Amino acid sequence: DAMVIQNPRYQVTQFGKPVTLSCSQTLNHNVMYWYQQKSSQAPKLLFHYYDKDFNNEADTPDNFQSRRPNTSFCFLDIRSPGLGDAAMYLCATSMLGRGYGYTFGSGTRLTVV
Amino acid sequence: KQEVTQIPAALSVPEGENLVLNCSFTDSAIYNLQWFRQDPGKGLTSLLLIQSSQREQTSGRLNASLDKSSGRSTLYIAASQPGDSATYLCAVWEGGSNYKLTFGKGTLLTVNP
Repeated sequence: DAMVIQNPRYQVTQFGKPVTLSCSQTLNHNVMYWYQQKSSQAPKLLFHYYDKDFNNEADTPDNFQSRRPNTSFCFLDIRSPGLGDAAMYLCATSMLGRGYGYTFGSGTRLTVV
Repeated sequence: KQEVTQIPAALSVPEGENLVLNCSFTDSAIYNLQWFRQDPGKGLTSLLLIQSSQREQTSGRLNASLDKSSGRSTLYIAASQPGDSATYLCAVWEGGSNYKLTFGKGTLLTVNP
């Protein structure tokens, strides 16, 4: 089945130690997104790629970076994780102009110790 | 700025009951509206997608309606089961150059056996 896959499901990192979360898709969608979701809160968009064009939300901290080396893969890099960055990170895709809606991955739960 | 509100924040019902979850949005110029389900510690599963030109969508025991002019959507769940227990999130996509989904905070549903 076509899908969005996130790895790992659970990630524990040390305070200040860089960490990378990965997302892959087999849907061939042209837009990929990273959302951050903290407990009992709505998902918050960090940034998205429309093809190779990167779009950062105005309030996304500089500590968060992203890479999309090809259509299928997108990475979220947290350069110096703080305790406040502990959250569920959700990757999603959509096909702009087709009205297919969003497809989300299963998420990566990040713990900072 | 689009805002999405979901009422109630939490709902507890006995098994077998029919129920309605409500979603309202402030800007009626939306491209589509999507309902998601989120189990604890998991990603988002798409339930129903309603295009702006549509009035409702159905999938099994679920029926979602959309009244764009009044900025409202409802998710109707028939004959609820304990397995329906989860958080239900409503999200709107404004389309055009705005790729972002704006989420409500969700309704936590508990179906008691």
